[in-house]
Amino acid sequence: AQTVTQSQPEMSVQEAETVTLSCTYDTSESDYYLFWYKQPPSRQMILVIRQEAYKQQNATENRFSVNFQKAAKSFSLKISDSQLGDAAMYFCAYRGGSQGNLIFGKGTKLSVKP
Amino acid sequence: DAGVIQSPRHEVTEMGQEVTLRCKPISGHNSLFWYRQTMMRGLELLIYFNNNVPIDDSGMPEDRFSAKMPNASFSTLKIQPSEPRDSAVYFCASSLGRLNTEAFFGQGTRLTVV
Repeated sequence: AQTVTQSQPEMSVQEAETVTLSCTYDTSESDYYLFWYKQPPSRQMILVIRQEAYKQQNATENRFSVNFQKAAKSFSLKISDSQLGDAAMYFCAYRGGSQGNLIFGKGTKLSVKP
Repeated sequence: DAGVIQSPRHEVTEMGQEVTLRCKPISGHNSLFWYRQTMMRGLELLIYFNNNVPIDDSGMPEDRFSAKMPNASFSTLKIQPSEPRDSAVYFCASSLGRLNTEAFFGQGTRLTVV
């Protein structure tokens, strides 16, 4: 079975600084996608960024980028120029080809200090 | 489209009572997921439907939990009998069947069993 591990329950960053959230996963599949979702206090789940396993190039969305290391099964999220509105729970997620189910890590709570 | 609609938003019930949570996915989506979120266990996948058929129900905690999807526009998650340890936020999400597509989440149902 696939698993997703986020080893940092909480992280803190100063406004305008850069922070990296870690995620590792375990799978035997070759066809899969990885996602980062953000959950602010409103409880709404918001997609931040996605990465296809077949693509070597790391995905980027404005201030958000990933470091995808397929061999190491690592998928970290980098947030540049952190803003107060980035404070939220961040979840790493895996969606695989054999079944198509979407599995999440336990999340990292990010605080942004002014 | 109004997005994924869950009802009720909040539910307080007494131990031993039956609880039914409802979900209306986004029209045209053929994948539906039920999740349970707690501080201790994060976001757990309970069950995944594709084209109204349960594909993976390995996350369903025990026989007290059951889920149905009678048609493409409606799903239910039932707990009978409910227990205090079932208290959590329950999310429903839907997506198109392709791996790279975003899963859209409802606002969740906060269940409290006293």
